[in-house]
Amino acid sequence: DIQMTQSPSYVSASVGDRVTITCRASQGISSWLAWYQQKPGKAPKLLIYAASTLQSDVPSRFSGSGSGTDFTLTIRSLQPEDFATYYCQQGNSFPRTFGQGTKVDIK
Amino acid sequence: QVTLRESGPALVKPTQTLTLTCTFSGFTLGSSGMCVSWVRQPPGKALEWLALIDWADAKDYTTSLKTRLTISRDTSKNQVVLTMTDMDPVDTATYYCARGVTTLRFFDYWGQGTLVTVSS
Repeated sequence: DIQMTQSPSYVSASVGDRVTITCRASQGISSWLAWYQQKPGKAPKLLIYAASTLQSDVPSRFSGSGSGTDFTLTIRSLQPEDFATYYCQQGNSFPRTFGQGTKVDIK
Repeated sequence: QVTLRESGPALVKPTQTLTLTCTFSGFTLGSSGMCVSWVRQPPGKALEWLALIDWADAKDYTTSLKTRLTISRDTSKNQVVLTMTDMDPVDTATYYCARGVTTLRFFDYWGQGTLVTVSS
């Protein structure tokens, strides 16, 4: 199984900050990576797929990059509604696997 | 528009079998490229992918739970069913179903989730 490791597990940031979250795969996954945002008590929401393609209706302050084993989610200017937990997910092979999550909290 | 809704018991006893149903609308599972997955999330913990069934009735399961899981579909009812045998308190979680596109390998629509507690 492919293991997905996110870092950091927790980030404390302020509105307007630039936030970067990293996801590393235990083996190469090409660009088969998605990012999700989850708020408390809610289902995950797809933000980015194929490593860098923004899902429709997702604000352009979100961006993704990477290929192979190392990937990054960047939030350019953090907004109040962005405080949430973020997960990466690999789609290269079965079983599908998620990272352990990164919580973005208010400083 | 695409919607999914999970249903099933909120409480099961240890050793019992859990049966969850995902009822969806807005897409046809029999259409090329469509799939439905189950994902769970224990309280305060990360997402865990469980199983997938696709438009061709192909199925895949997470390695650690493969012997306990069965996923099936009823295309006439727009439903996907997940059964999990021999439930244990560690299986307490919110269970989500989600639509996927097999060619793009992500999940674009999710149900609201259903909390299942395993306790005697």
